[in-house]
Amino acid sequence: TQLLEQSPQFLSIQEGENLTVYCNSSSVFSSLQWYRQEPGEGPVLLVTVVTGGEVKKLKRLTFQFGDARKDSSLHITAAQTGDTGLYLCAGSGGATNKLIFGTGTLLAVQP
Amino acid sequence: DAGVTQSPTHLIKTRGQQVTLRCSPISGHKSVSWYQQVLGQGPQFIFQYYEKEERGRGNFPDRFSARQFPNYSSELNVNALLLGDSALYLCAAGTGREGGYTFGSGTRLTVV
Repeated sequence: TQLLEQSPQFLSIQEGENLTVYCNSSSVFSSLQWYRQEPGEGPVLLVTVVTGGEVKKLKRLTFQFGDARKDSSLHITAAQTGDTGLYLCAGSGGATNKLIFGTGTLLAVQP
Repeated sequence: DAGVTQSPTHLIKTRGQQVTLRCSPISGHKSVSWYQQVLGQGPQFIFQYYEKEERGRGNFPDRFSARQFPNYSSELNVNALLLGDSALYLCAAGTGREGGYTFGSGTRLTVV
């Protein structure tokens, strides 16, 4: 069974601080995606990484895919209150490309 | 270009009843997947359909079934509802190739 574990589960920080969220698995994925979900809404895709060692930047967000394609991290610089939400990593691969979601990290950025 | 639309947005059912949830994908997106998200957890894969054929099924009982129509819209049916079926049901549309999926806002099902 493929599992993705995220850490930390909960994070409460002040505006302007930096943070890193980790996503780890013992399985190899052909691609990994990060989503952000707000209450009452579906997850919104932030980024897809497909190459081991790949680093992608999206404004203040930096995403990294591990060399072995088993893990990933999301780093947010100078967090803002608008970054508050549930961050989900999701791995895909195989014939169906179904998404295996991580356990989620709930981020609260305080003003 | 409208996003993925799901209906209804909220639903309350009693134990033992049956429910049908609907999803309309983005135009041109032939792949539709269904996920169940229990409060506080990540979404769990239920089904994937591509070009009207079932491509994958998650670890859910036979009470859960789905189908995809010629216009690529999809329905998820759940029979003999249990309290534990209460969750947010998400539909995701994709092109069927590698890459991200676009999720609908979900249907919040409450079983009482």
